[in-house]
Amino acid sequence: AAGVIQSPRHLIKEKRETATLKCYPISRHDTVYWYQQGPGQDPQFLISFYEKMQSDKGSIPDRFSAQQFSDYHSELNMSSLELGDSALYFCASSLGGDQPQHFGDGTRLSIL
Amino acid sequence: GEDVEQSLFLSVREGDSSVINCTYTDSSSTYLYWYKQEPGAGLQLLTYIFSNMDMKQDQRLTVLLNKKDKHLSLRIADTQTGDSAIYFCAEGSARQLTFGSGTQLTVLP
Repeated sequence: AAGVIQSPRHLIKEKRETATLKCYPISRHDTVYWYQQGPGQDPQFLISFYEKMQSDKGSIPDRFSAQQFSDYHSELNMSSLELGDSALYFCASSLGGDQPQHFGDGTRLSIL
Repeated sequence: GEDVEQSLFLSVREGDSSVINCTYTDSSSTYLYWYKQEPGAGLQLLTYIFSNMDMKQDQRLTVLLNKKDKHLSLRIADTQTGDSAIYFCAEGSARQLTFGSGTQLTVLP
C-alpha cells in the first residue's frame, strides 16, 4: 500500500520568498499532521487537521498557514521565508486523531 | 508540558542486543512509539505500544512499557549494521506527537 507522499522532496528558496509543501495521506486516513525538524533536532509539531478542519496547533509561525482539502491532501504555505526555516518538513497521517501516525519521507527546504 | 528524554548515544557490537531507553512525563498518552531515522531520510515507524500494554514483541524488536515509572524501552535482538540510525521515542496524545531528542545507535563490526 502506498505511504504518505510529500512533494517536492527538495526545495531551495531565497529569503523573503514563499513556498508551498504538499502532502498526500495514506488512503482513507482523515488526519494529517505537519512537523518541522531542524538540523540535529527532533521533529517539532506544527499543526494538524482532522476531516478538513484544523484540530491542533503547535509551534507554527504566523508566517505559515496550512489547510486540508476535500480529497484529504494538505498543503503547508510558508511566506517571508527566513534562514531559520531551513529544515526537514514532515507530513504524517493517521486514521482518526488517536491512531498511529505514519510519516512521509519529508521535504528538505533550504533557504539561501 | 510533555517531555520525552532519551540518552543521545549507544554503541553495540554486531550480533549483540541493543536496548534504547526513554522516559516521558505525560501519563495521558494513548500510544508510545519508536521511529527510526537514517541519515537524510524520513521517519520510519518501527513499532508502537498501546498505553495499557506492558510488552510488545515484533520479530527482533521488543518494547517494554513501565507505566508507573513512565519508562519505555526498545530492545533490538541480534543487532546488525543496518540497524545503525537515530531512534526516536515519541508519545502521542491530543492529536500530536512529542519526540525525544533521539538516540544515535552505532553498530560496530
